Amino acid sequence: AQRVTQPEKLLSVFKGAPVELKCNYSYSGSPELFWYVQYSRQRLQLLLRHISRESIKGFTADLNKGETSFHLKKPFAQEEDSAMYYCALKVGAGGTSYGKLTFGQGTILTVHP
Amino acid sequence: EPEVTQTPSHQVTQMGQEVILRCVPISNHLYFYWYRQILGQKVEFLVSFYNNEISEKSEIFDDQFSVERPDGSNFTLKIRSTKLEDSAMYFCASSDLFGTADTQYFGPGTRLTVL
Repeated sequence: AQRVTQPEKLLSVFKGAPVELKCNYSYSGSPELFWYVQYSRQRLQLLLRHISRESIKGFTADLNKGETSFHLKKPFAQEEDSAMYYCALKVGAGGTSYGKLTFGQGTILTVHP
Repeated sequence: EPEVTQTPSHQVTQMGQEVILRCVPISNHLYFYWYRQILGQKVEFLVSFYNNEISEKSEIFDDQFSVERPDGSNFTLKIRSTKLEDSAMYFCASSDLFGTADTQYFGPGTRLTVL
């Protein structure tokens, strides 16, 4: 069975500092990895997905299959980045589970002024 | 921008009562999901639904749970006889594609409190 681990429950940085939210996964096949974000009093929304290889709001994430990681990074954090961040995994094409998202515990990021 | 909506935002019920949580997915979406999050825990998958059938369900989704698309717009989750441990935030999600290209759009959630 697949599993997603986010080792940090809380992460605090100052504005302008680099930030890295860690995500590790376990799955024997080829997963798809996502980062979802939930701002205060808002719904869960997709931030980025590994297959898109895009940068959203200055955030990037690279899938490292050797280390089974998908860490989220931003070089210069902003106060508006304060939110709950969830890493999620979906079994890729060819798997038996196709659509279900498996979430990590979430990391609360606080960016101080 | 179209959004997934859920009603009610908060439901309080007595143990043993039946509850129905309602979701209106985005109108052209075909794939529907329910997740739940017990306070302080992970968001957990419950069930996926397509073409009026359950595609996949988790171990949590036992005989007490059922889903239905009663008309062209609503997608409901029913819990027949609620238990204290069913207290959680329940999220509905929908997507227009399945597999690699899909993005699941989440509703704001319904907080279920079982007393």
